[in-house]
Amino acid sequence: DVQMTQSPSSLYASVGDRVTITCRAGQSISTFLNWYQQKPGEAPKLLIYAASSLESGVPSRFSGGGSGTDFTLTISSLQPEDFASYYCQESFSPPHTFGQGTKLEIK
Amino acid sequence: QVQLVQSGAEVKKPGASVKVSCKASGYSFTRYGIAWVRQAPGQGLEWMGWVSTYKGKTEYAQTLQGRATLTTDTSASTVYMELRSLRSDDTAVYYCARDGNRMGDFDYWGQGTLVTVSS
Repeated sequence: DVQMTQSPSSLYASVGDRVTITCRAGQSISTFLNWYQQKPGEAPKLLIYAASSLESGVPSRFSGGGSGTDFTLTISSLQPEDFASYYCQESFSPPHTFGQGTKLEIK
Repeated sequence: QVQLVQSGAEVKKPGASVKVSCKASGYSFTRYGIAWVRQAPGQGLEWMGWVSTYKGKTEYAQTLQGRATLTTDTSASTVYMELRSLRSDDTAVYYCARDGNRMGDFDYWGQGTLVTVSS
């Protein structure tokens, strides 16, 4: 199984800040890496697939990068609606493990 | 528009089984696989398994120890997730999600079904 280590587990930031969340895979997964946003009481929402491709309808302030074992999700200028939890997920081989999540909270 | 609509909340006793449905609409059902993901209260996301709606091929997380079965009814555009020998730590919200046919990402999700296991 591919182990996914996501950091930080929690992050405090302000509206307008630039924030970056990182995800590290236990082995090379090429670009088989996806990012999801989840708000309380809601299903996850796909933000980024294939490490850096922006899902249709997702604001351009979200961007993803990386390949191999190290990946990032960056929000260029935080908006109030961005305070949520974020999860990375590898889709290289089953089971398609999720990272443990990052809770982004208002400072 | 693409929709995945899941069946309602369930309360089960330890040792029982539960079967959750996921009805798809708004797209060609057999062109996309369906995955199941669960989330225990206050915890992260756990991938449970995947089913090809075209050929019925399945993949499962080994952590479920053979207790889960995914099946499809193409005539009803519905996927079912059955979990047997329920334990208290199976209490979770269960989600179905569509495999986007790109790089294994899940592009549409059901609303979730809360399964509570309690004596």
